[in-house]
Amino acid sequence: AQSVTQLDSQVPVFEEAPVELRCNYSSSVSVYLFWYVQYPNQGLQLLLKYLSGSTLVKGINGFEAEFNKSQTSFHLRKPSVHISDTAEYFCAVSDSPGGSEKLVFGKGTKLTVNP
Amino acid sequence: GAGVSQTPSNKVTEKGKYVELRCDPISGHTALYWYRQSLGQGPEFLIYFQGTGAADDSGLPNDRFFAVRPEGSVSTLKIQRTERGDSAVYLCASSLGPRNTEAFFGQGTRLTVV
Repeated sequence: AQSVTQLDSQVPVFEEAPVELRCNYSSSVSVYLFWYVQYPNQGLQLLLKYLSGSTLVKGINGFEAEFNKSQTSFHLRKPSVHISDTAEYFCAVSDSPGGSEKLVFGKGTKLTVNP
Repeated sequence: GAGVSQTPSNKVTEKGKYVELRCDPISGHTALYWYRQSLGQGPEFLIYFQGTGAADDSGLPNDRFFAVRPEGSVSTLKIQRTERGDSAVYLCASSLGPRNTEAFFGQGTRLTVV
């Protein structure tokens, strides 16, 4: 069975500092990997996804993530955060074609950007 | 519509009552998902529809939960004999079809069972 571990439940950081949100997954099959962001009182929005190919994936709002198969990780990074990046971030995994279409989510990491 | 629409946005019900939660997916999206998000947790999969049929209902917690999508568009999640543990945000998502890799989420229905 697939699972996702987000190691940090909360990450406080100052504005313009770099940030890394960690995500590890377990799966017995090939996977698709996703990061979603949830701003207060809003729905989940896709930040970026890894399907195949280049292991460095760039998403919206200056975020990027790197797929590391040997470490089963998909950490999210941003070199310089803004106050507006304050939100909850969810890592998710899905089977590749042939498996279930469902997403398995981690518990989330609450990013707080302070002035 | 422009996005996935869920109604109501908030629902308070008494223990033991029956509730229905509605999801209106993005027009043309054949795949529809229901997830449940409890406080402090990530969303948990409940059920996946491809068209009118439930392709995967392995996440439904018990037989009090049921979902339908009779015309392949709007879906209704039905919960019988609600319990306090059912309190959560129920999220709906849709995508273009099978093997499509981007699911668009609605804002959810916050269900509180008192």
